[in-house]
Amino acid sequence: AQTVTQSQPEMSVQEAETVTLSCTYDTSESDYYLFWYKQPPSRQMILVIRQEAYKQQNATENRFSVNFQKAAKSFSLKISDSQLGDAAMYFCARGDTGANNLFFGTGTRLTVIP
Amino acid sequence: NAGVTQTPKFQVLKTGQSMTLQCAQDMNHEYMSWYRQDPGMGLRLIHYSVGAGITDQGEVPNGYNVSRSTTEDFPLRLLSAAPSQTSVYFCASSYSRLNTEAFFGQGTRLTVV
Repeated sequence: AQTVTQSQPEMSVQEAETVTLSCTYDTSESDYYLFWYKQPPSRQMILVIRQEAYKQQNATENRFSVNFQKAAKSFSLKISDSQLGDAAMYFCARGDTGANNLFFGTGTRLTVIP
Repeated sequence: NAGVTQTPKFQVLKTGQSMTLQCAQDMNHEYMSWYRQDPGMGLRLIHYSVGAGITDQGEVPNGYNVSRSTTEDFPLRLLSAAPSQTSVYFCASSYSRLNTEAFFGQGTRLTVV
């Protein structure tokens, strides 16, 4: 099965601290893309960060960075200097170049404690 | 730019009723798709379109129809609503299939009673 697994249903972090959200996936493809989406209470899905599988360098976007381990099929998201506005549901997703689908994990709800 | 606009935001249907969820984008994206989000299951693809006049089924297409007569619009039709279709529905669009950002609408919360 071509699945995306997020093993942490809920996580919490103190404001200004760092938190890492885990994601593993299964695919037989060699060329694919990985994404982290944020869904705040407004329901809007917002792209946080994207990683191309053929790139060895880990993607970064300001306070957000990933640890992409292709051999281990792992794609974790690190949020540094956590802010209250980071509180949301976070979804990991994979898209295969030859397909038309994004496969989503079940999400991790992040709480930021003031 | 409005981005991706979905209407309505909330809807309650009775079992057996039909309705259309509207989706429009103003970014001239070729690729559009519909997902449903259920608790504990993430988002699952219902139908997608790679351009006007071209649609195909996704992971969970049963009970839904789509058409794409223009680049901008991609409506989702529920033919005969069932309680199992109670969900949050998202429309998304992107410039190409997968290697660019997908822009999502704000979702429609549908309840079938």
